[in-house]
Amino acid sequence: SYELTQPPSVSVSPGQTARITCSGDALPKKYAYWYQQKSGQAPVLVIHEDSKRPSGIPERFSGFSSGTMATLTISGAQVEDEGDYYCYSADSSGKGVFGGGTKLTVL
Amino acid sequence: EVQVVESGGGLVKPGGSLRLSCAASGFTFSDAWMIWVRQAPGKGLEWIGRIKSRTDGGTVDYAAFVKGRFTISRDESKNMLYLQMNSLKTEDTAVYYCFTTSTSELPWGQGTLVTVSS
Repeated sequence: SYELTQPPSVSVSPGQTARITCSGDALPKKYAYWYQQKSGQAPVLVIHEDSKRPSGIPERFSGFSSGTMATLTISGAQVEDEGDYYCYSADSSGKGVFGGGTKLTVL
Repeated sequence: EVQVVESGGGLVKPGGSLRLSCAASGFTFSDAWMIWVRQAPGKGLEWIGRIKSRTDGGTVDYAAFVKGRFTISRDESKNMLYLQMNSLKTEDTAVYYCFTTSTSELPWGQGTLVTVSS
């Protein structure tokens, strides 16, 4: 079955740039979406259609996709950005799939 | 207000059934491809299935693990999405969410907890 692969964890100091990757064979033809989930809360969309930022999401969040890899970048990460981040996309048949999630630590 | 509200969860015995509901408002539900996902305790997000809009055929696709046990449907007249779950197993214990990627302005709901236990 189709899989999206993310690193289990990423750790940065406050103010540094955090990069979270997501790899999948169908990404050249399918959009990537990124969701942030803080402990005990529902996921929040932070990037859609590879690189678009929803209203209300800070400008420090950006997305890029090239070939089989999508990347979420948090420029100048803040402590409040800590949480789990999931990439989401679809396989070639259109079925959705989530990456395994990346735990971002900012300390 | 743009929102979805999930309901219908609860405690059910293995082999039992539940129907989850997702009430949508504030966006054009009839144009949206709606998705059910779940999250088991301490685990990641898992895609369950997706129903297209009626204008796009209304077809439904399911994850492999569903194996005919779950059915997704929608009622455009009520702006409602449903997930009928049969033959429930203990491993179906999770918070169930509905969402869509058809709009970037829809926040996820709080989900509804399904606990399958004897």
